[in-house]
This record gives sequence, structure tokens and C-alpha cells, in this order.
Amino acid sequence: GAGVSQTPSNKVTEKGKYVELRCDPISGHTALYWYRQSLGQGPEFLIYFQGTGAADDSGLPNDRFFAVRPEGSVSTLKIQRTERGDSAVYLCASSLGPGTGQRDYGYTFGSGTRLTVV
Amino acid sequence: RKEVEQDPGPFNVPEGATVAFNCTYSNSASQSFFWYRQDCRKEPKLLMSVYSSGNEDGRFTAQLNRASQYISLLIRDSKLSDSATYLCVVNGGYNKLIFGAGTRLAVHP
Repeated sequence: GAGVSQTPSNKVTEKGKYVELRCDPISGHTALYWYRQSLGQGPEFLIYFQGTGAADDSGLPNDRFFAVRPEGSVSTLKIQRTERGDSAVYLCASSLGPGTGQRDYGYTFGSGTRLTVV
Repeated sequence: RKEVEQDPGPFNVPEGATVAFNCTYSNSASQSFFWYRQDCRKEPKLLMSVYSSGNEDGRFTAQLNRASQYISLLIRDSKLSDSATYLCVVNGGYNKLIFGAGTRLAVHP
């Protein structure tokens, strides 16, 4: 597709339930990132995939959070035993490659999934 | 201390005003820097990269001072459409972006 697609756009779930959030990156983008944005804050890094492997998962807050990217394209962020503090907008981004230079390597965010845990 | 710190805002300015946002970062090894814009309930979008020599894009000017670990964004001749949150961003390596909390700008007629 033309952009990064995230589904669902909104998700309301009860405390303790399991949720899956999906990200479909731009075709050809090998790098995929998940961020979480709480109200009044900037996005906070969760995990980075290069291809199929999680190259950096240092931002995952605890072992209730897990993400996969089995074929190097679509990624799913999975949250077990959701808590009210997990309520946030979960953003996915993709880029052409990791890069370290000043170029942004086509870094593009999806419109996010707004997760509300009640 | 947060890795990226920004002016808390909000900034309320009239149309036509010049406004400046400041940002500091803690990791002296950081190599690349950006300003992103985020509209209410939308995703962040790249506004401009920040280069060591300073760079300008129309009404927007970004400056980087590596010695002071300081980044700035200047907006001249503010428009109503500039109203948004401006996020200072540092590349933490491998395009893992580290965001400040953002500064909200409201431009009024």
C-alpha cells in the first residue's frame, strides 16, 4: 500500500484481556518500529525489527508485551493481561533500512491504534 | 533526566509572529536530529532534519549546537495552520527515534 496501515484504529478492551494490534508497513521497507504514545507525551520506543528478527526490544515495558514479524512484512504487537495503564496510542513506523545518518530513510508512521483498557 | 527535553509550552501567538522552540539532548554521541509535527489525534510527520550547519525550509529554520547539545526551531510569520505540537527528535541509532514530550503551538487570528 501507499502508507503504513494499522488495524484496528480503535480498540476498547476489558482489563485482563488479550489484544493484538496489527501493522502493515510500506512495501519494501525492511525496518519496522513500534512506539507507544501516552496523552501529553511524545512517542516512546518499544521494539525494532530488521526483517523478521527483533533487533532491539529494549523498550518493551514488561513480559506482557510481545511482537512478531514472521515473514518480514506485517507485524503484530501482542499484549497479554491488559492493564488500565496500557491505554495509549500504539504507533507503528517503517523505513527503508536502519541507517544512522541524517537522512530519515523514508521513515513513515501509521495513524496508530488507540487502545483503551477499561 | 529525560534523553530529550523541550520547552513545556503551550505557546499562544498571533498570526505573523515569530516563535522559537528549544530542545536539549543528553547523549553527546547522537548523530542525527529532526523536528516532527503532530496534529491533534494524528501521527507524527517529519517537518525537517536538523543539520550541523543549520538549515532553512521556507519559514522554518533549524539550528544545532553540538557543543551545548541544543537544538532549536524558529518559525517566522506564523500561520493559523502552524498550530500543532512540535516534537524534537534524536536518532538513537538504527533509526530508533527518541522523542521529546512536544511543545504545543496555538496560532490565533
